[in-house]
Amino acid sequence: DIQMTQSPSSLSASVGDRVTITCRASQDIRNDLGWYQHQAGKAPKCLIYAASNLERGVPSRFSGSGSGTEFTLTISSLQPEDFATYYCLHHNSYPRTFGQGTKVEIK
Amino acid sequence: EVQLVESGGGLVQPGGSLRLSCAASGFTFSYYWMTWVRQAPGKGLEWVANIEQDGSEKHYVDSVKGRFTISRDNAKNSLYLQMNSLRAEDTAVYYCATDDYGDYAHWGQGTLVTVSS
Repeated sequence: DIQMTQSPSSLSASVGDRVTITCRASQDIRNDLGWYQHQAGKAPKCLIYAASNLERGVPSRFSGSGSGTEFTLTISSLQPEDFATYYCLHHNSYPRTFGQGTKVEIK
Repeated sequence: EVQLVESGGGLVQPGGSLRLSCAASGFTFSYYWMTWVRQAPGKGLEWVANIEQDGSEKHYVDSVKGRFTISRDNAKNSLYLQMNSLRAEDTAVYYCATDDYGDYAHWGQGTLVTVSS
């Protein structure tokens, strides 16, 4: 199985800050990766698919990059509604696996 | 508007069975792979299973193989998850999602399954 190692596991940031979350795959997954935002009590939301493509309706402050084994989600200017847990998910092979999650909290 | 509505969750004893449903609307259900994802209390998201458009191909995470069965009825725009031999570690909120070759664009609100005596 492909392991997805996400870092950091949590971070504290202020509104307006630039935030970067990293996901590392245990083997080459090309660009078969998405990023998801999950707030408690809500449905998860896709932000980025195929490593760098912005999902329709997602604000442009979110961006994704990377390929192979190293991937990054960047929030260019953190907004109050962005405080949530973020997950990467690969779809290169079975089983699909999520990263452990990054909880973004208010500083 | 795309809608996915899960149902069928509840309290069940260890060893018991439960069948989850996911009712889809607002899109052509038969065009999409579909996926189940779960989140145990205090834990992260876990991919559980997916099913091809016509139901001929299915995949499962190892921890549910032989106990869970994913299925669909395209005529009813519905996705199912039959869960047998349930264990305490299956306690989770279960979400269904569209699966567009790795783009999980649409999700339901989830249904809670609690396995406890």
